[in-house]
Amino acid sequence: EPEVTQTPSHQVTQMGQEVILRCVPISNHLYFYWYRQILGQKVEFLVSFYNNEISEKSEIFDDQFSVERPDGSNFTLKIRSTKLEDSAMYFCASSVPRTSVNTGELFFGEGSRLTVL
Amino acid sequence: GENVEQHPSTLSVQEGDSAVIKCTYSDSASNYFPWYKQELGKGPQLIIDIRSNVGEKKDQRIAVTLNKTAKHFSLHITETQPEDSAVYFCAALETSYDKVIFGPGTSLSVIP
Repeated sequence: EPEVTQTPSHQVTQMGQEVILRCVPISNHLYFYWYRQILGQKVEFLVSFYNNEISEKSEIFDDQFSVERPDGSNFTLKIRSTKLEDSAMYFCASSVPRTSVNTGELFFGEGSRLTVL
Repeated sequence: GENVEQHPSTLSVQEGDSAVIKCTYSDSASNYFPWYKQELGKGPQLIIDIRSNVGEKKDQRIAVTLNKTAKHFSLHITETQPEDSAVYFCAALETSYDKVIFGPGTSLSVIP
């Protein structure tokens, strides 16, 4: 069964360092997402990406964050200068377009745990 | 924007009993309501979903009901088993925007 894969599974970084989290969405999917989950809390929307551009972003997704689809298969989340409060599990998700028939179910990866010291 | 509330935050049931989780949403334009199950250390996985033109949907032991007027939707799990123990999230698709908004989650424990 096709799946969304994420790397690394766990990254530890120093405050102020840049971090890149990588995702390989399911191959025929066209919509890509990043969500964040702080330990024990809810899954929070960060950004959605379609047709090589951001379609929506939340207030969490400030100038320190960026996304890119550099090569047609990977989808990356970059945090330019990490803060302690960026420590969380980051989930990538992908979906096909929503239609009258297809609900556009989000398929999530296993997540990348980011620890900022 | 859309806001999704969920109750209870924790729920313990005996194996074989039913479990009910309730959610409310704020945006009357939302038209798609998925439910996700998250096991420890894993990503959320869709277990059932419902569109706003349907009042109820069932898949084996899992059912979801939707009351559009009241902006309520609920997850019902019958004949619970220990492997149903997980965190369950309800969510709503904010149709004006391309994003699924999650509720705060319910930690379900099924006691053998």
